[in-house]
Amino acid sequence: DAKTTQPNSMESNEEEPVHLPCNHSTISGTDYIHWYRQLPSQGPEYVIHGLTSNVNNRMASLAIAEDRKSSTLILHRATLRDAAVYYCILRGLSGGSNYKLTFGKGTLLTVNP
Amino acid sequence: EAQVTQNPRYLITVTGKKLTVTCSQNMNHEYMSWYRQDPGLGLRQIYYSMNVEVTDKGDVPEGYKVSRKEKRNFPLILESPSPNQTSLYFCASSRGTGPTYEQYFGPGTRLTVT
Repeated sequence: DAKTTQPNSMESNEEEPVHLPCNHSTISGTDYIHWYRQLPSQGPEYVIHGLTSNVNNRMASLAIAEDRKSSTLILHRATLRDAAVYYCILRGLSGGSNYKLTFGKGTLLTVNP
Repeated sequence: EAQVTQNPRYLITVTGKKLTVTCSQNMNHEYMSWYRQDPGLGLRQIYYSMNVEVTDKGDVPEGYKVSRKEKRNFPLILESPSPNQTSLYFCASSRGTGPTYEQYFGPGTRLTVT
């Protein structure tokens, strides 16, 4: 699986937008970009995924660079409940080894009241 | 409500005493998987199952067994637990194995082996 690079940590204020970056310079043309998050003491939770076009859902937006070498997860109005570790994960057409999700270290997002 | 459930949520046991962690999903998902999460090592896959009676090893299968007799259930069995299996365990399920399918995770089981 291609590698992703994320900042170790980011900080935001409540009710402000948050932009979480992810670099994936070795992404292949058929790799999908997935984002998961893990709240304290909980299991990972799916957030959003995309291939080439920007994507929106009720939780977040995903902005994908034109060359697909980077992407940004956007939380439009951060709440205290959004404090979590956010993981950017690439998934290829083959599903990857064992169809597993390969979690890196992720970005620890702190939301200040 | 669509969910993955795990039991127990917390377990303290002694070396060598067989235990089973249950996992059940109510979404009719084909694919199920077990991960363990350890500080500094992230989440690592233990076993996975593509469908009933089809299971295979993940990256760290030693010391674990699984079975998939029904589509909804995927128990993790530790025949002779050892202290190095002290960890946080997550079960996950997915409708399919392709890159467009999201995985749903259970709440986790924190296991301590003394």
